[in-house]
Amino acid sequence: EPEVTQTPSHQVTQMGQEVILRCVPISNHLYFYWYRQILGQKVEFLVSFYNNEISEKSEIFDDQFSVERPDGSNFTLKIRSTKLEDSAMYFCASRQVAKNIQYFGAGTRLSVL
Amino acid sequence: AQKITQTQPGMFVQEKEAVTLDCTYDTSDPSYGLFWYKQPSSGEMIFLIYQGSYDQQNATEGRYSLNFQKARKSANLVISASQLGDSAMYFCAMGNTGNQFYFGTGTSLTVIP
Repeated sequence: EPEVTQTPSHQVTQMGQEVILRCVPISNHLYFYWYRQILGQKVEFLVSFYNNEISEKSEIFDDQFSVERPDGSNFTLKIRSTKLEDSAMYFCASRQVAKNIQYFGAGTRLSVL
Repeated sequence: AQKITQTQPGMFVQEKEAVTLDCTYDTSDPSYGLFWYKQPSSGEMIFLIYQGSYDQQNATEGRYSLNFQKARKSANLVISASQLGDSAMYFCAMGNTGNQFYFGTGTSLTVIP
């Protein structure tokens, strides 16, 4: 069964460094999403992406964050200068146009030291 | 404003018994979807079941069923014949005509042998 793939599974970085989290959505899906989940808390929406542009973003998604679809398969989340409070699990999700079910990847655990 | 409420932080169920996980929601949008996801200790988010706001019948997927009571704005998940592998966090989520999903705080389910 097709699935959303995220790499790496765990990323450790120093505060102030840039990180890029990578996702390969399901191949026939056209909507892409990033969410984050701080340890022990609920899942929070960051951004949605469709037709090569951001369609919606939350107040969490400030100027430190950016997303990109650099080729036909990858979808990336970049954090320009990481802060301690960026430590969280980051989930990528994707869905078809016609069906409002988002399928999630296994997540990338980001640890900012 | 969209809101999802899960009032049970933790639940226990005997193996082979049924269990109901509660979820209430609030939205002014007439068209929305309700979703349940399972998050095992490994961290991934697994889609379980979907209910559309206009669906006349309650959704079922194998041992999972969704008890949808639109007037009460509730979308409870029923797991029948619980198995040890059902032990996990369960998140209720809502998506409407916007892109993002709104998640509840989750219920931790423990299945007792």
